[in-house]
Amino acid sequence: GEDVEQSLFLSVREGDSSVINCTYTDSSSTYLYWYKQEPGAGLQLLTYIFSNMDMKQDQRLTVLLNKKDKHLSLRIADTQTGDSAIYFCAESINNDMRFGAGTRLTVKP
Amino acid sequence: NAGVTQTPKFQVLKTGQSMTLQCAQDMNHNSMYWYRQDPGMGLRLIYYSASEGTTDKGEVPNGYNVSRLNKREFSLRLESAAPSQTSVYFCASSGHRGHIEDTEAFFGQGTRLTVV
Repeated sequence: GEDVEQSLFLSVREGDSSVINCTYTDSSSTYLYWYKQEPGAGLQLLTYIFSNMDMKQDQRLTVLLNKKDKHLSLRIADTQTGDSAIYFCAESINNDMRFGAGTRLTVKP
Repeated sequence: NAGVTQTPKFQVLKTGQSMTLQCAQDMNHNSMYWYRQDPGMGLRLIYYSASEGTTDKGEVPNGYNVSRLNKREFSLRLESAAPSQTSVYFCASSGHRGHIEDTEAFFGQGTRLTVV
């Protein structure tokens, strides 16, 4: 995933907002995704955004897309201990999905 | 619903041994993928199969072979394991392109492989 970059760690307190950032390099990506990986499990799709959108809100999740800067962010409002996981940003290119390295979110009580 | 099933969940191999990781999906998906996940490097695509009977190299194919046995099954083979192949391996599948519901990739639980 060298084409998709995200910071490796984020620590927040329960109840605070979490913001996970991602940059990607391929402007032809049609969809951009956020996946969540809980310990010992595979990845599960959390949310996605189509490349012609700037923002998408889904309950506690807000995705912001800045296509000019190729920057994607995921905001989790009122972060809970159950949100502790690794979050992967991904872009789809042809038949390939490229993933970032994952951001490990730790939520402290 | 089973989704994507991978076996085995854990495996320890000696350098030079061979093994096959099995993957099956029951969602009638055309596309299947093998990724490896290493600390700090995210997921890297090893091979993928866009449809039954076709396979293509991904980002890190060296040291691996794959077989798309039928629409359901996509196996990954290590002919001569090396310590650099110690990793967690994920199989995934997805449907047709064109609809967001179909582009979602479903992942197996992973195989933790250690080569000593």
